[in-house]
Amino acid sequence: AQSVTQLGSHVSVSEGALVLLRCNYSSSVPPYLFWYVQYPNQGLQLLLKYTSAATLVKGINGFEAEFKKSETSFHLTKPSAHMSDAAEYFCAVSESSGNTPLVFGKGTRLSVIA
Amino acid sequence: GAVVSQHPSRVICKSGTSVKIECRSLDFQATTMFWYRQFPKQSLMLMATSNEGSKATYEQGVEKDKFLINHASLTLSTLTVTSAHPEDSSFYICSARDAEGVGYEQYFGPGTRLTVT
Repeated sequence: AQSVTQLGSHVSVSEGALVLLRCNYSSSVPPYLFWYVQYPNQGLQLLLKYTSAATLVKGINGFEAEFKKSETSFHLTKPSAHMSDAAEYFCAVSESSGNTPLVFGKGTRLSVIA
Repeated sequence: GAVVSQHPSRVICKSGTSVKIECRSLDFQATTMFWYRQFPKQSLMLMATSNEGSKATYEQGVEKDKFLINHASLTLSTLTVTSAHPEDSSFYICSARDAEGVGYEQYFGPGTRLTVT
């Protein structure tokens, strides 16, 4: 079975500061990993994904994440936070071997302080 | 890019009535669609997996007779909440998987806010 743990349900950063959202996964098979962002009353938008190619993945809006197998982690970072980054962020995992559903973490709400 | 639409975006219905929510993949074929439910300030909970032309696979604890899922074509899946009750009020989100895409990426619809009065 797969699972995702997002450390910190709420992260608050100042505008211009580094954003770091933590995600650890558990999977018995090679995983595919995803980060999604959700704005209030909207669906999910894909930020980036890891699909067993490069371990450092660059996504939209200046976000990137690094897959670290030894640490079973896939933390999301952005060098400089912008007010528009305030949203809910979800890390998700799926099996790379088949057509399986995504398993989501509980989410991390990012607040950006002016 | 791949776009998934949901209709309606918001619906208010009376207790005991049924509500149908549509999920469409607009520019790709989706052999598999997923239905999620999201409570306020919580994560997405998978309700069921819908494969075109076959019966949906429901997650444990989800009543299949209450949440009817139909996936009649490669671009449309519907979720019908039958005999709705106030506890069914939630945000329902569908996603569609582009089977030809790398990594079996899922594309999400904008969600449907259901309020049962």
